[in-house]
Amino acid sequence: AQSVTQLDSQVPVFEEAPVELRCNYSSSVSVYLFWYVQYPNQGLQLLLKYLSGSTLVESINGFEAEFNKSQTSFHLRKPSVHISDTAEYFCAVTSLGGQNFVFGPGTRLSVLP
Amino acid sequence: GAVVSQHPSRVICKSGTSVKIECRSLDFQATTMFWYRQFPKQSLMLMATSNEGSKATYEQGVEKDKFLINHASLTLSTLTVTSAHPEDSSFYICSARVLRGYNEQFFGPGTRLTVL
Repeated sequence: AQSVTQLDSQVPVFEEAPVELRCNYSSSVSVYLFWYVQYPNQGLQLLLKYLSGSTLVESINGFEAEFNKSQTSFHLRKPSVHISDTAEYFCAVTSLGGQNFVFGPGTRLSVLP
Repeated sequence: GAVVSQHPSRVICKSGTSVKIECRSLDFQATTMFWYRQFPKQSLMLMATSNEGSKATYEQGVEKDKFLINHASLTLSTLTVTSAHPEDSSFYICSARVLRGYNEQFFGPGTRLTVL
């Protein structure tokens, strides 16, 4: 079984500042890792994913995440945030060959003007 | 591609009535769909896995008679909340699985259910 921990339930940050949202997972098998973003009263949108290959993955809107197998982490970073990045961010894991996703509790990113 | 829709987006009903929520994969076939429930300021909790043409698999603690799931075609799964009560009020999200060498899920926009 897998589990996902997001240590920060809320992260307030000023506009144009850098941000890191932490995600740690536990699993006895190899996994795929995902970050999803949820805006108020909306479903989840895939932000980025790690499947294999380069441990650094990037999204089209400036976010990046790095898979660190030894630390079982997949932290999300952005060098300069915008007001529009205010949302809930969920880290998720699924095992290779598995079909269920396990979601972390989420981190609410609030970007302040 | 890989768009998932849900209908309705929002529903308000009286206690004791039944509510049906539809989840459709618009541009692909989904042999497996998932239903999640999300309470305010909380994460998604998997309720059940729906496979086309067979009975749904419910997670522990989810009442199968309360939450009826029907996956009648490769593009449609429905969740019916029977005899809804205020405690059933929640945000319900479906997802559809696409096999691309790995299991990727695409999520619907969600349905906000409020039971008065």
